[in-house]
Order: sequence, then structure tokens, then C-alpha cells
Amino acid sequence: QKEVEQDPGPLSVPEGAIVSLNCTYSNSAFQYFMWYRQYSRKGPELLMYTYSSGNKEDGRFTAQVDKSSKYISLFIRDSQPSDSATYLCAMINSGNTPLVFGKGTRLSVIA
Amino acid sequence: ETGVTQTPRHLVMGMTNKKSLKCEQHLGHNAMYWYKQSAKKPLELMFVYNFKEQTENNSVPSRFSPECPNSSHLFLHLHTLQPEDSALYLCASSLSGRASYEQYFGPGTRLTVT
Repeated sequence: QKEVEQDPGPLSVPEGAIVSLNCTYSNSAFQYFMWYRQYSRKGPELLMYTYSSGNKEDGRFTAQVDKSSKYISLFIRDSQPSDSATYLCAMINSGNTPLVFGKGTRLSVIA
Repeated sequence: ETGVTQTPRHLVMGMTNKKSLKCEQHLGHNAMYWYKQSAKKPLELMFVYNFKEQTENNSVPSRFSPECPNSSHLFLHLHTLQPEDSALYLCASSLSGRASYEQYFGPGTRLTVT
């Protein structure tokens, strides 16, 4: 079983839709959960991070972590064409260990 | 220059060539990383340097040789590569190994091995 599973997509939605991106993981020791966004021909950039379980909201973006189910989600409300990118989930079990990434989900928001 | 820069952005090399990738960070960070990004695969961590000391070598073949002369610069020396080494090579930095969840990435070098 892979440590982090993420559906690579592609996912195509109309502008204004609510987007749900998800990852599952197997290592119960993970404590920090991140979402990185990667535009074409760019490196990934940190979008949001959450410590342990719960929700975190930042504008149109909401990150959710359910440690009991080993499941994390990123919701994008009122999606825009500028949200078109690959979204990578990542997680670690402490600040001293390497990040473990998912494969990334390619999202296209169609105007 | 701001953030993390990488040169060259594109590189085509034969299997017998020797080349180097360069990364520079202008963020005052102390940890630097090399990652390999291949299609339909997760980012693969290759090397980690913390305060110029290598702290992680993720079973990378010896045809990849990293060098970190100071906390701002990181190199990846390449020799006798294989076609399966073709990928996007990303450099990243963070404040230190203790804040590794927040990493800042460069734009990457797209490497093609012929």
C-alpha cells in the first residue's frame, strides 16, 4: 500500500463550481498536512497546511483533515480559470522528517 | 532575483555527458532539497542539506552527485545518466529542517537524456 494515494485526474469543472480534491494515507503518525499548487512550468507553492485533525479556511479554499479515516480534502469554492493547476497533497510526521507527496491531481476550470 | 532560482531551465544531454544543475535561494533559508518529478509519480526526494550538511540521501544512484558549498547554493552534478532519468528536477528550500513542511520550490530544470 502506498503511503499517500491521490487520484491524478484530470478533473475538469465549469467556472463557479465547487471542487473537491482528496488524498488518503496509511501512516497514522502523520501530523502536518499540506496542499501545494503547481502551475504549468512552475514549481509547487504551498497553498495551505493543517496541523492534526480539523478544518482550515483561507478565502475560497478549505482544507479538512480526518485522522480517524486517514483522509484529507481540499475544497475550492467558486472555482476560477486561474485555479487550473496541479494540486499536490503532502504530509509529514514531524518537522524533522521528509515530506511525503501524493501524485497530484490536475484540475482544469473551464470558463 | 527573489525566491528560489534554477539554471538551466531546460537541458538535453547524452548518456555519456557530464552536466550540472544549479539552484540558488534568496530567502535566507538553511535547508535545501533536490526532488525528482516524473509524470504520474509523486515527487521523489533525492537529497537534503541542512546548514550545508547532507542529512538525507534517498538511495539515489551515484550518477547523481550533490554539492552544497553554502546555505544559498545547491548543485546537482550529473554523469552517465540513463533515459529513465529524464524528468523535472526541482530544488526547494526551507527555514531549516525543523520547518520542512513549508518548502519553497524553484521552477525546475526539465532534463532530457538521449
